[in-house]
Amino acid sequence: GQQVMQIPQYQHVQEGEDFTTYCNSSTTLSNIQWYKQRPGGHPVFLIQLVKSGEVKKQKRLTFQFGEAKKNSSLHITATQTTDVGTYFCAGDNYGQNFVFGPGTRLSVLP
Amino acid sequence: NAGVTQTPKFQVLKTGQSMTLQCAQDMNHEYMSWYRQDPGMGLRLIHYSVGAGITDQGEVPNGYNVSRSTTEDFPLRLLSAAPSQTSVYFCASSYSQGVLYEQYFGPGTRLTVT
Repeated sequence: GQQVMQIPQYQHVQEGEDFTTYCNSSTTLSNIQWYKQRPGGHPVFLIQLVKSGEVKKQKRLTFQFGEAKKNSSLHITATQTTDVGTYFCAGDNYGQNFVFGPGTRLSVLP
Repeated sequence: NAGVTQTPKFQVLKTGQSMTLQCAQDMNHEYMSWYRQDPGMGLRLIHYSVGAGITDQGEVPNGYNVSRSTTEDFPLRLLSAAPSQTSVYFCASSYSQGVLYEQYFGPGTRLTVT
């Protein structure tokens, strides 16, 4: 079945440093979504990418969808302590269901 | 708009007991799903539904049943609880029209099976 992998599993950064997490799917996706989960909380939607090669920005966050629609990345510029949490990508299996990656846990040291 | 609500928030069961986790949404979303999240891991899909009367299995369906009699409600039943089902359970809903859109998650139910 479809698998979605994410690297790294953990990332510790100093506040102000940049952070990137990568997501790779074993199959082509119709679209990909990114979620953030704060410790003890529930996943919260960040963004959805649909088009091949798409790049979207939300303030300090930049999201990319690969040309082959099998990989994606999330880049955070100048991390802040409020960025702490686990970032998940989720691939849409052409309207059937979502397959989540295992997540990247980000910790930010002040 | 309450969004997605889940009850209970916490539950402790003994091995062999059964229970139902409740999930409701008031956004008229066609798509609803149940995930479990184990410590340090991602979300694994248990069951999902693309509309009232239609359900299907996800990645880890064994030991769980679902039904979808209305658009709003999507309860998850544990038939005979086992310690391996200790986990945090999230219900989610999404608008869908060929493509699945943003999923809204409930606050979760933390289940412990002893």
